[in-house]
Amino acid sequence: SAVISQKPSRDICQRGTSLTIQCQVDSQVTMMFWYRQQPGQSLTLIATANQGSEATYESGFVIDKFPISRPNLTFSTLTVSNMSPEDSSIYLCSVDKGTGEDTQYFGPGTRLTVL
Amino acid sequence: EDQVTQSPEALRLQEGESSSLNCSYTVSGLRGLFWYRQDPGKGPEFLFTLYSAGEEKEKERLKATLTKKESFLHITAPKPEDSATYLCAVQAGSSASKIIFGSGTRLSIRP
Repeated sequence: SAVISQKPSRDICQRGTSLTIQCQVDSQVTMMFWYRQQPGQSLTLIATANQGSEATYESGFVIDKFPISRPNLTFSTLTVSNMSPEDSSIYLCSVDKGTGEDTQYFGPGTRLTVL
Repeated sequence: EDQVTQSPEALRLQEGESSSLNCSYTVSGLRGLFWYRQDPGKGPEFLFTLYSAGEEKEKERLKATLTKKESFLHITAPKPEDSATYLCAVQAGSSASKIIFGSGTRLSIRP
């Protein structure tokens, strides 16, 4: 498995502001992923972040709204920009250790409330 | 389009009452099927990966099975601490690493 931490664990933000969420892994991993889980819903993939290349965004998600950084093999950030109440969700990062198992391991999540 | 459907949405059992959760999937070339457990306010916790029809995996009171169209998560003699949302997810061979999640089954075990 992998030990994954996220900061902050939760935040309450005002409309129009931005929040950057950090994801730290205890070992080097090739692929990191960012998901959104809206209240009462399942997980939706936002983007895949590979070190050394631009993030790949899923349909319905754009870089201007969710810029992602991946400066090294153990760290990534997701920024939620110009927030609105509809962005209130749990944001989760996950990693694929690249061992061929294809299993993703998840962080504890960041609970975001936008007022 | 790849799709994952879980049933029931919610299930309430008495402690010790065994049951099964269902995950039906439509995917172009299954690469892997995953089961996760998610407690309120936490990230999903990995349980099992299944790769081919007929495969079974067990962990404590949980057993996951896989056919060509669906997977079952059998829970035997559950305890209150097994209460959680159980998520099923699939990875298609055509889109490496992208995982599609079902909506989950909320399991509640009464003492």
